[in-house]
Amino acid sequence: DTGVSQDPRHKITKRGQNVTFRCDPISEHNRLYWYRQTLGQGPEFLTYFQNEAQLEKSRLLSDRFSAERPKGSFSTLEIQRTEQGDSAMYLCASSLALSDRVGTDTQYFGPGTRLTVL
Amino acid sequence: ILNVEQSPQSLHVQEGDSTNFTCSFPSSNFYALHWYRWETAKSPEALFVMTLNGDEKKKGRISATLNTKEGYSYLYIKGSQPEDSATYLCAFIAGGTSYGKLTFGQGTILTVHP
Repeated sequence: DTGVSQDPRHKITKRGQNVTFRCDPISEHNRLYWYRQTLGQGPEFLTYFQNEAQLEKSRLLSDRFSAERPKGSFSTLEIQRTEQGDSAMYLCASSLALSDRVGTDTQYFGPGTRLTVL
Repeated sequence: ILNVEQSPQSLHVQEGDSTNFTCSFPSSNFYALHWYRWETAKSPEALFVMTLNGDEKKKGRISATLNTKEGYSYLYIKGSQPEDSATYLCAFIAGGTSYGKLTFGQGTILTVHP
């Protein structure tokens, strides 16, 4: 299977703990995106990378959230001092953005990591 | 803040019915509109990317139209089947940005009853 993979699929943690999620994009995709989805809402943009560079970060993202893509391949999303409001599905997507197709490139999504903060 | 609205929020139809839903988005600063289907316990699946006013895309029994001047897109499903049951999401990309951020609507949940 060469789709986007995410690990873990489920995470239960206690309030105040730190958690880290991993995303492995489709091979050779240069863009990688993180979204968060809560019940009854569509996915909400968090941040995205082109290769190693973080090009955009949502203003809604607090300082407790950080994402990295150190070698332009896999990415990690860390949430420090988790709060109950962080409980959500965290989705990763990747795309191959060519200069003449930027914005029209299809974002391929992984299965998500469901986070529950107790 | 961009506002992308989808209606209805949920829809129940019988097998064989045709159905359609609406996605409304800002008509100014339009760049592209994406449609996704998200089945329970699966990953969101891309259906269409639409860019031009008057665009019409088709994939099997599913088709979509785009009106960028008035800021809406319709998704049509002809002869609905139980396997079409899913949440259908539209997502907007604004112009003059880095063109990576999808702003999603809240989705339309479709249930097709056998």
